[in-house]
Amino acid sequence: GNSVTQMEGPVTLSEEAFLTINCTYTATGYPSLFWYVQYPGEGLQLLLKATKADDKGSNKGFEATYRKETTSFHLEKGSVQVSDSAVYFCALREGRRALTFGSGTRLQVQP
Amino acid sequence: NAGVTQTPKFQVLKTGQSMTLQCAQDMNHEYMSWYRQDPGMGLRLIHYSVGAGITDQGEVPNGYNVSRSTTEDFPLRLLSAAPSQTSVYFCASSEGVGNQPQHFGDGTRLSIL
Repeated sequence: GNSVTQMEGPVTLSEEAFLTINCTYTATGYPSLFWYVQYPGEGLQLLLKATKADDKGSNKGFEATYRKETTSFHLEKGSVQVSDSAVYFCALREGRRALTFGSGTRLQVQP
Repeated sequence: NAGVTQTPKFQVLKTGQSMTLQCAQDMNHEYMSWYRQDPGMGLRLIHYSVGAGITDQGEVPNGYNVSRSTTEDFPLRLLSAAPSQTSVYFCASSEGVGNQPQHFGDGTRLSIL
């Protein structure tokens, strides 16, 4: 079956530091890949997506590239802010199936 | 611009009680699903529906029932609540194809005593 593996958190960074959150996946076919963000007390919001190999998704300074050869979709941001503190979920979707989520990575950004 | 609306936001139940978590979407999405979120486990799929009148089980369906009589609504029923069902529940909807993201409600925080 499909699965998503994320690096465990929490990840603690100082403001303006570079962020990488690793995500790898296993899928039987050709999934679309997503990053969702969950702020405290809220639901999940789509952050970015990529639907085929070598696609780069980007939003709010975050980027992730769909790497089929390494089955990865790592999330990066060049300079994090305190407001980026949240839990980040990597997910995949294949065909008409529901999303398969990773376990989430908590990011804490300190001023 | 409602999107996906879940009610209630919070609920406390006693073991053995039953209740229905409501979910409604106004985007005419075919696909709807229910997840539960537990610490350190991400989101796990309970049930899903690919259209009105069609439902199927996800990863953790035991203890939950669903129905889909309309495109807009997808209620989740707990028939006899157990402490293991204490969790945060999220409803989501999307268009049917796989490259479309799911849109999430704000969640229902459920505690079973």
